[in-house]
Amino acid sequence: RKEVEQDPGPFNVPEGATVAFNCTYSNSASQSFFWYRQDCRKEPKLLMSVYSSGNEDGRFTAQLNRASQYISLLIRDSKLSDSATYLCVVNAPGGYNKLIFGAGTRLAVHP
Amino acid sequence: NAGVTQTPKFQVLKTGQSMTLQCAQDMNHNSMYWYRQDPGMGLRLIYYSASEGTTDKGEVPNGYNVSRLNKREFSLRLESAAPSQTSVYFCASSTGDRSYEQYFGPGTRLTVT
Repeated sequence: RKEVEQDPGPFNVPEGATVAFNCTYSNSASQSFFWYRQDCRKEPKLLMSVYSSGNEDGRFTAQLNRASQYISLLIRDSKLSDSATYLCVVNAPGGYNKLIFGAGTRLAVHP
Repeated sequence: NAGVTQTPKFQVLKTGQSMTLQCAQDMNHNSMYWYRQDPGMGLRLIYYSASEGTTDKGEVPNGYNVSRLNKREFSLRLESAAPSQTSVYFCASSTGDRSYEQYFGPGTRLTVT
């Protein structure tokens, strides 16, 4: 079983749509959770951290369910510029800031 | 600030050749990392350096060596390249505290024929 699992997609949605991505992680000792964004042929960049109480950053909302070991990302009012791959990331317990990356979910927003 | 820089951007090697990928960061970060990214797989950690003077193996270290030359620079060496090492290689750095955010370089696309 992969340590971080994501639906690879692609998710093809029209502009303005709401889209949700899900992710599960296997190590219950992980304490820190993130969503990174990766544009085609570019490096990953931090989109947002995920907190236990859930958090929002503009059109983006992240949720964490520790009991189910499940993380989600909701994007409202999708823009063409949201087209990218979204990586679910958790920390590797006991490591020196080591992160474990999911393979990513690809989003394509069309006009 | 340039952030994290990597050279070269592209490289083609023949099987058995060697090369060194260079990485430098100007953010005064303590920790540095080398990853490889293959289609359908997440970024996989090759080696990391928690602080200057230390290096440790990650998930997929076989066929690679690293050098933490100083606080700024962390190089990755392929001694005898194999087609299985065809990949995109990313260097990253972080402060080394528990903020966990990693900053990535633009990547090196390596093809081994």
